[in-house]
Amino acid sequence: GESVGLHLPTLSVQEGDNSIINCAYSNSASDYFIWYKQESGKGPQFIIDIRSNMDKRQGQRVTVLLNKTVKHLSLQIAATQPGDSAVYFCAENAGGTSYGKLTFGQGTILTVHP
Amino acid sequence: GAVVSQHPSRVICKSGTSVKIECRSLDFQATTMFWYRQFPKKSLMLMATSNEGSKATYEQGVEKDKFLINHASLTLSTLTVTSAHPEDSSFYICSAMKNSVTGELFFGEGSRLTVL
Repeated sequence: GESVGLHLPTLSVQEGDNSIINCAYSNSASDYFIWYKQESGKGPQFIIDIRSNMDKRQGQRVTVLLNKTVKHLSLQIAATQPGDSAVYFCAENAGGTSYGKLTFGQGTILTVHP
Repeated sequence: GAVVSQHPSRVICKSGTSVKIECRSLDFQATTMFWYRQFPKKSLMLMATSNEGSKATYEQGVEKDKFLINHASLTLSTLTVTSAHPEDSSFYICSAMKNSVTGELFFGEGSRLTVL
């Protein structure tokens, strides 16, 4: 579980900069990973996903990198915009009978300054 | 993309009362839905897996008698917080699985419960 009083990591960038958000996952059996964006008072919004048979996947302005050796996931956002400001969560899924059950990371607060 | 709707989006209730939150998949059928709880500035924690036509599967530490889940149709799952207390105040979020092969999921917008 999470420690009481633990604050979310934060990342502050200037508009136009590239952002990199990192995530360490715990379950070596996880085979599907997703990045979500959550704005205040709203549900998680899907950004990009990657399966364990890949190490990189690109979307529009976003790239996800997966390093299974060290169980690390990252989200790169190119040319970050103020509208990208939100909390970003990585999530992992172990597949099999657990399909759809996601374990979320602690989240990172991204603040983009104009 | 697919739409998952939660209702109500916000609810305030008195201690001791029960509150029902609905999760609907509006344009697809979902045999499986999931309920999460999120405290302020914290991550989402899975509470239970809701299966259409059968009992929900609860995660360790989640009281099944406190959080009643019913998945009576392929488009609706409900979470009832029974005899609510202030510590039950939280943001409750559901997700619905559109494709059980790919694991494609869609999240609702969340329901904020405040217990006075």
